[in-house]
Amino acid sequence: DAKTTQPPSMDCAEGRAANLPCNHSTISGNEYVYWYRQIHSQGPQYIIHGLKNNETNEMASLIITEDRKSSTLILPHATLRDTAVYYCIVRGPRGYGGATNKLIFGTGTLLAVQP
Amino acid sequence: NAGVTQTPKFQVLKTGQSMTLQCAQDMNHEYMSWYRQDPGMGLRLIHYSVGAGITDQGEVPNGYNVSRSTTEDFPLRLLSAAPSQTSVYFCASSTGTAMGYTFGSGTRLTVV
Repeated sequence: DAKTTQPPSMDCAEGRAANLPCNHSTISGNEYVYWYRQIHSQGPQYIIHGLKNNETNEMASLIITEDRKSSTLILPHATLRDTAVYYCIVRGPRGYGGATNKLIFGTGTLLAVQP
Repeated sequence: NAGVTQTPKFQVLKTGQSMTLQCAQDMNHEYMSWYRQDPGMGLRLIHYSVGAGITDQGEVPNGYNVSRSTTEDFPLRLLSAAPSQTSVYFCASSTGTAMGYTFGSGTRLTVV
């Protein structure tokens, strides 16, 4: 499984866009990029995922660079309730190239949304 | 749908006791996983399953057993509890690679 690198913490003003970066320079062609977040003491929450193309849903947008070595999660209008630890995870399909489909968490980015 | 249900929510064990943490999902998900999260730390994968009858080890499997006799249930057994197993345990399920995991609300375990 490819490893990811994220900044340990970031601040964002309420109402502004939060842009959370993630480096995954060793990602392989069949591996997806996933984003989860964990609000204090709760179970992690799935946000979005992508393979090659940019993705958008009701929660966020995911921008993946053309070489797939990095990505950015964008929360368009951050609110205080978006304060959480955000995890970027790379995960491949089971049985492809020996991948076992495990979801392995790193240390994530603590996003603090300031009023 | 209830999603992923974990029981109990809280548990205190004495060192050496055994117990089973229950996890059930009603979404017909193939993939299920158990994680532990120590205070101030990230989640670590204990065991996971890609379908009934199939389980495999994660990052920190020692001291834990799992089985997957049905699609719905994935219990985690602590064989002989130790203080180092004090943690919050999360169960999660997913339909497959191209879908996200749904997590339960956690079991907070204290071993004294």
